[in-house]
Amino acid sequence: GQNIDQPTEMTATEGAIVQINCTYQTSGFNGLFWYQQHAGEAPTFLSYNVLDGLEEKGRFSSFLSRSKGYSYLLLKELQMKDSASYLCAVMDSNYQLIWGAGTKLIIKP
Amino acid sequence: GAVVSQHPSRVICKSGTSVKIECRSLDFQATTMFWYRQFPKQSLMLMATSNEGSKATYEQGVEKDKFLINHASLTLSTLTVTSAHPEDSSFYICSARTGGVQETQYFGPGTRLLVL
Repeated sequence: GQNIDQPTEMTATEGAIVQINCTYQTSGFNGLFWYQQHAGEAPTFLSYNVLDGLEEKGRFSSFLSRSKGYSYLLLKELQMKDSASYLCAVMDSNYQLIWGAGTKLIIKP
Repeated sequence: GAVVSQHPSRVICKSGTSVKIECRSLDFQATTMFWYRQFPKQSLMLMATSNEGSKATYEQGVEKDKFLINHASLTLSTLTVTSAHPEDSSFYICSARTGGVQETQYFGPGTRLLVL
């Protein structure tokens, strides 16, 4: 079956760095997405990786290793507003999105 | 874990026809279901929120007469795109939210609509 795994919850300190991991097993691969979702709001697109390597976008970076079925989202210089759920989703060979359950990130002062 | 399914996964239709998309929560009862629209590499845009047994709440700019939502049961919501036009071509994603103390939102795999 198809599966996406990510930690349920993580806690980090304001100003620090946090890495949220995502592992996947899917039938085919057409890219991996990271979304940020604040409570009660729609998910916001953060990144899309389809080739191996690191994509940097400001304070956020996303890494992909297709051979390992692994991705991570790296958040630097954490701010209180980064407290949110972070969703990992993989697009399979049928261009369907397989969603992880999301990682709730709690930022403490 | 909880699973949300959508049917069909993809549909191609002629301009002017209506298309119905189903969203089902397979192993839990969803008090609330959401319908989103996504353009390539963009954030999900919330179209409407539906609660079982009541009328859907539409976001500003979403035509309720064009995007008909029926939340018939705690496990099924349908989105009907009426008189579809090419600009309605998009990726439609539903999600379902469980109730209770540990409220969690689960997303469906999406339905790709292409209107010719």
